[in-house]
Formats: sequence, structure tokens, C-alpha cells
Amino acid sequence: GENVEQHPSTLSVQEGDSAVIKCTYSDSASNYFPWYKQELGKRPQLIIDIRSNVGEKKDQRIAVTLNKTAKHFSLHITETQPEDSAVYFCAALNTGFQKLVFGTGTRLLVSP
Amino acid sequence: GAVVSQHPSWVICKSGTSVKIECRSLDFQATTMFWYRQFPKQSLMLMATSNEGSKATYEQGVEKDKFLINHASLTLSTLTVTSAHPEDSSFYICSENKLGSPYEQYFGPGTRLTVT
Repeated sequence: GENVEQHPSTLSVQEGDSAVIKCTYSDSASNYFPWYKQELGKRPQLIIDIRSNVGEKKDQRIAVTLNKTAKHFSLHITETQPEDSAVYFCAALNTGFQKLVFGTGTRLLVSP
Repeated sequence: GAVVSQHPSWVICKSGTSVKIECRSLDFQATTMFWYRQFPKQSLMLMATSNEGSKATYEQGVEKDKFLINHASLTLSTLTVTSAHPEDSSFYICSENKLGSPYEQYFGPGTRLTVT
């Protein structure tokens, strides 16, 4: 089955800096890669996603890149703000099996 | 607005008792819902896929007789934790696919279960 690894587990940055979180996946049939932000005690919120037919996607300060050959994808947050502090999860989905597999999570702390 | 609701948002029960968690689709009829479990400071793990009108599909290592899933209507799936033990204490979250999309999932607000 699919296995998703995520690094780093914690990331501390200063406000205004960029943050990068990386994930690798094992199943070459996975074709959808969402990123979620989860605040303490809350549900995961989709912040950006990318499909396997696209190499990069950007939405304001957030961007995601996908390298299908290497089976890895990354989340880039620019101009970080304290309110970006949360736990971020990557995930991979094989739409044939409809099973979303999550990475282990990255705790991002943005200091003012 | 929210498209998936869960009830209760939190529950405390005694060891050995059973607890039922409801997951409702608010905006459309969902033939498939997903149940996840998240232990403190850990990731979300898929427990089972709930299919309307048929038996749920459980992930490896999840006891189907302990975690009973019923999806009797297109807008309601329930998860019953039977004979709960302290190690079942966790955050339980359901989700459903966005209407017309095999990709994006909407998550419920979650249910915090504490077993004493």
C-alpha cells in the first residue's frame, strides 16, 4: 500500500521567512496530493492540492510542487505570518482505491 | 459553510461502555464516507470506508466488531465504539468526497473521545 513520509517534523521560522515542507510517496499510481492545515482540536483544512498531471500550483503565498519521477512533493509558504502556525499534513490519494494516506505531519511555528 | 457535521463534538465515557458518533452530510447525499482516527500529536489514520446500504470496508488492523459502522441513509453514517477502553481515547473524524469529485474530501469537525 501507499506510504507517505514527511519532513521535517517541526519547523521554526521567523515572521516573513519562507517555510518548506517535503513529502515522498511510494505508490506511483497515486494521482492526487492535497495539503492540510490543522489547528489544535480542529478538523484538517485543505489549503492547496495538486493532481498528477500538474507540476506546480500556486495560490497567493502558498505553492506546491510535484515531481512524479522522484515521487515527492513539497509545500512552500512565503512571507510567513504567526497565524500560519499549525500542523501541516501532506497526503496522497489513489482515486482508484479512494484511500487518502496522510504524512506524519509538520508542526510549523512562526515567531513574530 | 460546513458540509459535514459530527455529533457529539466531545464525549467522556467509562471503560466498558459503548459510544456512538454520528457523521452527517449536510449538502448532498453521500454514498461513501470515511472514518479516521487521530491520536494526540499523530497523523490521521483511515479506519474504514462507510458505504451506504452495504458493509463498511475496514483497514488492516481495525477491529470491525469493536468499531461498528452503520451507513443506513445517504446523509448519516455512525461509528460505534463498543466496550471502549482508555486506549480508544482519540479524535475521530469523518469525511466525504466533495460532490462530483473523486479527489477532494471534506472533513467533519471531529469528535474527541475520552475513555476513563
